[in-house]
Amino acid sequence: DIVMTQSPLSLPATPGEPAAISCRSSQSLLHTDGYSYVDWYLQKPGQSPQLLIFLGSIRASGVPDRFSGSGSGTDFTLKISRVEADDVGIYYCMQAIDTPRLAFGPGTKVDV
Amino acid sequence: QVQLQQSGPGLVKPSQTLSLTCAISGDSVSRKNSAWYWIRHSPSRGLEWLGRASYGSKWYYDYAESVKSRITINPDTSKNQFSLQLYSVTPEDTAVYYCARVGGLGRYGGLDVWGQGTTVTVSS
Repeated sequence: DIVMTQSPLSLPATPGEPAAISCRSSQSLLHTDGYSYVDWYLQKPGQSPQLLIFLGSIRASGVPDRFSGSGSGTDFTLKISRVEADDVGIYYCMQAIDTPRLAFGPGTKVDV
Repeated sequence: QVQLQQSGPGLVKPSQTLSLTCAISGDSVSRKNSAWYWIRHSPSRGLEWLGRASYGSKWYYDYAESVKSRITINPDTSKNQFSLQLYSVTPEDTAVYYCARVGGLGRYGGLDVWGQGTTVTVSS
């Protein structure tokens, strides 16, 4: 089974400043179609997870361009160019290359 | 706009069956190449996929090894919904349960729509 890890697990962020979360997978997430099958989700307090990024770097509909995903193989990064107060919550990476078997990272709690 | 509305009891007794339903609006459970998940979240196990129902020319079902012997996912095309049944539950099954849709048309698009979540406690 693919195991996902994240760092840091807690991230104090400053409004207006950039922030970054790392995600590592135990196996390559690079598909033969050229995409990395890693997603990023944000779970705001009291809400369900919401999709931010899929296939490594594609922003979901309605997601601000402050959010960007990058990386390949086994190492991935979610970057927030300028943190806003509304960005608080827990961020999860998830692998989908082993679909239907999905695996989530442990989450990174972002406080602003 | 696609929405998933979950329903079901929040308290289940040990050894009994956990039953949840996810009603779909704005999409069809039997749309070709669609896929529908049940996922749960607990402090001890984190976010954990439980099972998936997908439709191509027929229905396909996939279940996580951890629950494979005691889970069923059933689509109901007449009501445009899908359900989760988890049998012989124990306190370890206490979690927040989510249904979710795989987005994208012809290409993977992430879990783009989630239900509101149902907190299920297994206790006598």
